Amino acid sequence: SAVISQKPSRDICQRGTSLTIQCQVDSQVTMMFWYRQQPGQSLTLIATANQGSEATYESGFVIDKFPISRPNLTFSTLTVSNMSPEDSSIYLCSARTGGGVGGYTFGSGTRLTVV
Amino acid sequence: GESVGLHLPTLSVQEGDNSIINCAYSNSASDYFIWYKQESGKGPQFIIDIRSNMDKRQGQRVTVLLNKTVKHLSLQIAATQPGDSAVYFCAETSAGTASKLTFGTGTRLQVTL
Repeated sequence: SAVISQKPSRDICQRGTSLTIQCQVDSQVTMMFWYRQQPGQSLTLIATANQGSEATYESGFVIDKFPISRPNLTFSTLTVSNMSPEDSSIYLCSARTGGGVGGYTFGSGTRLTVV
Repeated sequence: GESVGLHLPTLSVQEGDNSIINCAYSNSASDYFIWYKQESGKGPQFIIDIRSNMDKRQGQRVTVLLNKTVKHLSLQIAATQPGDSAVYFCAETSAGTASKLTFGTGTRLQVTL
C-alpha cells in the first residue's frame, strides 16, 4: 500500500507566524485531503486538494487562513497562516490510494503548538 | 506528550475478552463505511470496511456490523490484545460526497492485563 510522509512531525510556533506542512506520497494520487484533529477529538476535514484545480474548502475553513498547494500528483502543502493558540492541533494529510470507494492512506500528522 | 483520545469515551476490556465499539452515523445517504485505528502519534490505520448492501463483514479477529435502519455501525474485536489499545474511529462516505470521509467521534479502547 502507499506510504505518506508528512513533515514536520511537530513544531512550536509563535502566534502571528505561519507554518507550511508538507505531504509526500510515494505514488501518484488524484485526490488528497487535509484534516485537523484537535486534542482529544475526531478528524475534521479542512479541504480537498486535487491536482490541477483549486482546493475545495469545507465550511468553517477559508483559503486565506489555510492556503493549499498541489503542484503535482505526489505532493501537497498546507499552510496555517497568522497562527493563534486556537490553531494548536494535529494536522493530517490523506490520499485516496486504493481502487473503488475505499483505499485512503493517512500521514502520521503534524502536531502544532502555537504559543 | 499529549495523546489523542484524552477526552474521548473510553472502553476498558480485559485481555482475551471481546470488545464491541459502537458508532452512530449521520448521513442516511452514506454507502460506504470504514473503521480506523489510531495509535498515539500516528495517523488513522485502516481496519475493515463495509458497503451499505451488506450487514456484516468479517476480517481477522474483527467483525463490522451495519444497521442501516438505525444508522448504527459496530466493530467487534475478538480476543482483545494489548496491541489493540488505541482510539477507534468510524468513517462514512458516499459517491455523492466526492469521496470525502466524515469521521465519527471516536472511542478509546484500553486493554487491561
